[in-house]
Amino acid sequence: DADVTQTPRNRITKTGKRIMLECSQTKGHDRMYWYRQDPGLGLRLIYYSFDVKDINKGEISDGYSVSRQAQAKFSLSLESAIPNQTALYFCATSGPVNEKLFFGSGTQLSVL
Amino acid sequence: AQTVTQSQPEMSVQEAETVTLSCTYDTSESDYYLFWYKQPPSRQMILVIRQEAYKQQNATENRFSVNFQKAAKSFSLKISDSQLGDAAMYFCAYRSPYSGGGADGLTFGKGTHLIIQP
Repeated sequence: DADVTQTPRNRITKTGKRIMLECSQTKGHDRMYWYRQDPGLGLRLIYYSFDVKDINKGEISDGYSVSRQAQAKFSLSLESAIPNQTALYFCATSGPVNEKLFFGSGTQLSVL
Repeated sequence: AQTVTQSQPEMSVQEAETVTLSCTYDTSESDYYLFWYKQPPSRQMILVIRQEAYKQQNATENRFSVNFQKAAKSFSLKISDSQLGDAAMYFCAYRSPYSGGGADGLTFGKGTHLIIQP
């Protein structure tokens, strides 16, 4: 089983719809992240969390919200999806800062 | 804030040859961590190699090695004996040891698409 699990793997939705992307981990890590990947732009940080009560905005948080339901679960919501939110979304976890990030397999979101 | 620049959007190399992917970064910190990640068409993010800034010795993982030039803020990836399975997007990334203040995790470059010619 994957250490970092994202659902769904692919999602097509319409403009204005609310959508939630979910992430769960079995690594036991406190730090969790949501990134967005666009062609030619690399990965950019949307939100990150150190624990259930500590959530922080990243570089591109506008139009997104998150919820850390438990140490193992970190969900990303788009309250009213728009076409320029079409992207590949990654959840990641981390232990201490000198370690790598562990990534989920990504969610490809298309907003029509 | 730190920035990471990958100046080669695409590179092509013949199978079995050697290729070097470039990465530069900008930071005022003296201690930090640098990474190269590989993203094949499966879109999984796979760690290739990791370098700690306080270590002068360049990291090596089998056919993958880095040329870390701290003063020049350069962190290039060399792939020797290129194989078809090396075809992927490659991302250079920076990590600060200091969290909080609006920043944590990795700062990524825009990526280099590596094509392997058979």
